Amino acid sequence: SAVISQKPSRDICQRGTSLTIQCQVDSQVTMMFWYRQQPGQSLTLIATANQGSEATYESGFVIDKFPISRPNLTFSTLTVSNMSPEDSSIYLCSVPETGQTQYFGPGTRLLVL
Amino acid sequence: SQQGEEDPQALSIQEGENATMNCSYKTSINNLQWYRQNSGRGLVHLILIRSNEREKHSGRLRVTLDTSKKSSSLLITASRAADTASYFCATHGGYQKVTFGTGTKLQVIP
Repeated sequence: SAVISQKPSRDICQRGTSLTIQCQVDSQVTMMFWYRQQPGQSLTLIATANQGSEATYESGFVIDKFPISRPNLTFSTLTVSNMSPEDSSIYLCSVPETGQTQYFGPGTRLLVL
Repeated sequence: SQQGEEDPQALSIQEGENATMNCSYKTSINNLQWYRQNSGRGLVHLILIRSNEREKHSGRLRVTLDTSKKSSSLLITASRAADTASYFCATHGGYQKVTFGTGTKLQVIP
């Protein structure tokens, strides 16, 4: 099973600033996913990050707001740009596992003031 | 949207009782999965049931799937305080994409 770490685990940021979240996997994976979970809500897929290509964004999410990097097969970053209080959420990365399940990182809890 | 809806939204039971959560979804699926999330942390995969299966067991967990009704249920038997968490169903779409339901918040009172 994959072990996934995320940094930071939590942060409090001022509106208008940007935060970059890191996701590190202990094995090489082709695909990584980034999710957002707004307070009291379910998970919503932001984008799929494949190594060596541009990330694929879901409807309602754009690269200018959520730029993603995928420099190698074990690492990805998600940046939340020009933050507003509405961006306060838990951000989670995940990787697919055999049998179509997913392993999730522990999440980054973001509060924007 | 393929997002599933779960009910109840919240459930509070005494330790030792059984907890049942239901999930409904909208489109055809390859499989349905259940995940647990403890206190706003990462999700942990619990169990997967394929579209050609009707029931599956794993320890104290029992999952049923009715594809004709597009619904699934998760039963946790003999609940423990450590089962307190949010539970999400998730349906598998194309290209490894998983869509999560709205979740049930379970509280098990010792």
